[in-house]
Amino acid sequence: ETGVTQSPTHLIKTRGQQVTLRCSSQSGHNTVSWYQQALGQGPQFIFQYYREEENGRGNFPPRFSGLQFPNYSSELNVNALELDDSALYLCASSSSGGPLNYEQYFGPGTRLTVT
Amino acid sequence: AQSVTQPDIHITVSEGASLELRCNYSYGATPYLFWYVQSPGQGLQLLLKYFSGDTLVQGIKGFEAEFKRSQSSFNLRKPSVHWSDAAEYFCAVGPRDSSYKLIFGSGTRLLVRP
Repeated sequence: ETGVTQSPTHLIKTRGQQVTLRCSSQSGHNTVSWYQQALGQGPQFIFQYYREEENGRGNFPPRFSGLQFPNYSSELNVNALELDDSALYLCASSSSGGPLNYEQYFGPGTRLTVT
Repeated sequence: AQSVTQPDIHITVSEGASLELRCNYSYGATPYLFWYVQSPGQGLQLLLKYFSGDTLVQGIKGFEAEFKRSQSSFNLRKPSVHWSDAAEYFCAVGPRDSSYKLIFGSGTRLLVRP
């Protein structure tokens, strides 16, 4: 069984730039969620994708957007980067249907630094 | 307001001692409940989950957790801690509202004395 993978591992960007983070879901999973984890805090839900559509969204501005592809992999795009966007970005995959949506398995994360 | 509270920021235990990490939640209906562990620079690993039924759930690495409805708690326990258990532990809830999001506590950092 292949786990959740994310790329890149680390990224450094300048304020105002755009960034794309990538995630491959665990085999057998069709749903992908993205979280932002600031230093010293718990992860915050950004959004979830199912059947290539956004399936739920947290309290993040529209400059955070995503995509899901037919193979269930996903991208997180962040436009107009701000210094506060510096964080660990975590991708999680799950199955669909009731509580299974919430049983989420996480990748190792992408550490984004905005300077 | 909906919330997840982990009251202990840091806990230090000696290797071989027992462990209990506290988690309280505030939601209208009993949510789905989870514990995750995060080693430095790593992602989150699911230790155990509670959906319904038996209130004592067993997880990986010898961990267990007990759901207590009357106390809105879901505390994590381990009878004998190993040095490799040193990590950050997060309690998370999944509200039964079709939002599909997990809401995490602020975490408890576990230090293990040799």
